[in-house]
Amino acid sequence: GAGVSQSPRYKVAKRGQDVALRCDPISGHVSLFWYQQALGQGPEFLTYFQNEAQLDKSGLPSDRFFAERPEGSVSTLKIQRTQQEDSAVYLCASSPGTGRSDEQFFGPGTRLTVL
Amino acid sequence: DAKTTQPPSMDCAEGRAANLPCNHSTISGNEYVYWYRQIHSQGPQYIIHGLKNNETNEMASLIITEDRKSSTLILPHATLRDTAVYYCIVRVGGSNYKLTFGKGTLLTVNP
Repeated sequence: GAGVSQSPRYKVAKRGQDVALRCDPISGHVSLFWYQQALGQGPEFLTYFQNEAQLDKSGLPSDRFFAERPEGSVSTLKIQRTQQEDSAVYLCASSPGTGRSDEQFFGPGTRLTVL
Repeated sequence: DAKTTQPPSMDCAEGRAANLPCNHSTISGNEYVYWYRQIHSQGPQYIIHGLKNNETNEMASLIITEDRKSSTLILPHATLRDTAVYYCIVRVGGSNYKLTFGKGTLLTVNP
């Protein structure tokens, strides 16, 4: 079946622009995660949804970052007034249960470059 | 979650076994050892996980020492497609959900 998909795969933004990154999780998966991966580093947790509820947003680096999953399926990560330090790969993952010990299935990521 | 230590890079000849070590000396009794890998330009992929017993699946074997302070991921017959960054993650089972990645080990499989 289809895996986790993300769009766009690549995004170039000028500093100060707003961007929206989309994640389509595996159908029926309850949990959805966003991670940020800087060049040469491992992914870092940003936020976690269980269905439509955002249960943990402790990893969001600033109030310019906002995530939503209004109907408990597709999720959007929005970054306002992008800065150069926001340049990274943004990974989305989903898991079938509540995320506790479940295997997480990752999408290919969106590479954001802020000029 | 307990911190893990992995070598930054390793090489392996195609067709040979690749043994990737991980130290997790501060692991707690209820923490599992997980392994993920990330092939270039792809998202991480789950490989295997275990608590205290050795585990094997179609991708790899996981050997955990008796004191649980270290583990080894074994790819029995490495192929060029196994070239990737391998992440060892220690995670509390049943109560934690997010994955805490380190820098991992870049395994390069050579022809």
